[in-house]
Order: sequence, then C-alpha cells, then structure tokens
Amino acid sequence: DAKTTQPPSMDCAEGRAANLPCNHSTISGNEYVYWYRQIHSQGPQYIIHGLKNNETNEMASLIITEDRKSSTLILPHATLRDTAVYYCIVRRDSWGKLQFGAGTQVVVTP
Amino acid sequence: NAGVTQTPKFQVLKTGQSMTLQCAQDMNHNSMYWYRQDPGMGLRLIYYSASEGTTDKGEVPNGYNVSRLNKREFSLRLESAAPSQTSVYFCASTEGGKPQHFGDGTRLSIL
Repeated sequence: DAKTTQPPSMDCAEGRAANLPCNHSTISGNEYVYWYRQIHSQGPQYIIHGLKNNETNEMASLIITEDRKSSTLILPHATLRDTAVYYCIVRRDSWGKLQFGAGTQVVVTP
Repeated sequence: NAGVTQTPKFQVLKTGQSMTLQCAQDMNHNSMYWYRQDPGMGLRLIYYSASEGTTDKGEVPNGYNVSRLNKREFSLRLESAAPSQTSVYFCASTEGGKPQHFGDGTRLSIL
C-alpha cells in the first residue's frame, strides 16, 4: 500500500471550511484514498473514500488531484465536534488491514 | 444499531496475569480485526480474521492469541500480560468493499 504524508496539526475556526491535505505520490492505479477520523477516546470513524473522481457525502468532500498524487479532505463548516485526528489511508480495498500513520490533529476553535 | 461492541471498556492487570478481550459485531461482516493504539500513535494491526475459521498475524502479534468463535465474535487473549502491552485495543469489522467499522476500544493497563 502507498505511503501517505499529512501535516501533524492544523487549527480551524468554527463555521469555516477545514481543508486537510494528504500526499500519496506512490499511489497505484487501483488504490483508493480513504479518510478516517478519531475523536478523543473513541474508535476511528470512516468519513469518505475515492479512487479518481471527487466525492461528497453528508460529512465531507474529497478532492483528488488529476495525477492522484495528493488529495484534500474538506469539512465544509467545521464545528467543535470535528476536533479529532484525521487519517488519510491508501489501499486497494477496505477489507484488508488499514495502515494508520500519525494523522493530522485538527483543533476547531470558537 | 450496536455495530461493534467491545468488552470490557477498562481493565487493570498485574504483570503475568491473563485475560481475554471480547469483540462482537451485529452487521454480519466476514472480516474482523484487532488493533492496538499506544499514546500519540496510530493504530497497529495485531491479528485479523478474513472469514470465520481463519486468522492471520498482523504487524505486532507477539504476546497475543486470537479466536474467531463464530461469524459474530472475535476474541483477543493475553496469556501472560506485560507492561509493554498497556494500550488501547480496538476491534473492527468489515465486509468486502465496505469501510471498516470500529468499536470504542478497551483501555488496558498492566502494572
């Protein structure tokens, strides 16, 4: 599975959009980009995933560059409850083991 | 909808004691996983079970054993607990092509 690089931390103002970057320059053509988050003391929570096209669901949007070497997770209107560690994971499918890196600690402030 | 249920939520053991962490899922998923998470770090895979009746080692299997009791349940056993096994343990499950669902973890301290 391709390795990912994320910034260790970022702050975001409540109500503003949070844009979380992820680099995955060694991604293969059949690998998906998955995003999970972990709110303090809870288990990781699936957010969204995509292969080539941009994706949107009720939680977030995922923008994948045309060369697929990087992506951005967008939380459109961040709330205090979005404070969490966000993990970007690249793999062929979701039913194998997930390789978690250190992720990005996002702090949403009032 | 319970999803993935882990018991117990908290446990304190003495070095050398044994215990079993329980995990059950009600989503009829074939695959189940055990991860551990040490402070400030991401999750690391201990063992997984691709389907009922099969188990395989992950990144950090030493000191642990697992049992896939049936399709719903996947237990993790520490035969002789060591302080290095102090961690938060997460169980997860999935079905082919779908995202993994995680439990809320078992916080284990070994003195």
